[in-house]
Amino acid sequence: GENVEQHPSTLSVQEGDSAVIKCTYSDSASNYFPWYKQELGKRPQLIIDIRSNVGEKKDQRIAVTLNKTAKHFSLHITETQPEDSAVYFCAASKSGANNLFFGTGTRLTVIP
Amino acid sequence: NAGVTQTPKFRILKIGQSMTLQCAQDMNHNYMYWYRQDPGMGLKLIYYSVGAGITDKGEVPNGYNVSRSTTEDFPLRLELAAPSQTSVYFCASSYSLAGVGNEQFFGPGTRLTVL
Repeated sequence: GENVEQHPSTLSVQEGDSAVIKCTYSDSASNYFPWYKQELGKRPQLIIDIRSNVGEKKDQRIAVTLNKTAKHFSLHITETQPEDSAVYFCAASKSGANNLFFGTGTRLTVIP
Repeated sequence: NAGVTQTPKFRILKIGQSMTLQCAQDMNHNYMYWYRQDPGMGLKLIYYSVGAGITDKGEVPNGYNVSRSTTEDFPLRLELAAPSQTSVYFCASSYSLAGVGNEQFFGPGTRLTVL
């Protein structure tokens, strides 16, 4: 099955700085890569996703990049704010698959 | 829409006891999932269902059972609770296959402790 690795496990940044979280995957057939945000004590929620036919996708302050050759994808958050503090999970799946494979999560702390 | 709901929110079980975690969704989603989340770990899939009457095992199914008699409900059963089942359990649903990019909507979670 698919194996998704995520780094770093914890990340602290100053408010206004950028944050980058990286994930690698093992199954070259994977072609869908979502990112979920989980605030403390809350449920995970989808914040952005990317499919393998594009290399980058942006939504305001967040962006995701994908390198299919190297089998890695990254989440970029610019101009970080305290409300960005949460655990972020990457995941991977492929066409016809019924489930997502999640990374182990990154706890992001934005210091005011 | 209530979305995905789960009960109970918290539960403490003794070793060997049984319980059912309830999950319901009102979005008419075909796909439903049960995950467990251990501290510092990602979400591991326990079981999933692609429609009423159809269930299948995920990555970590041992010690659990599920049923899907209706589109709305997907209960998770623990028959003989063990300390290794101490975790936070999330139910999720989606309209269609995960692989085609359908967002999974998560419930609020059930925090289970087995002592």
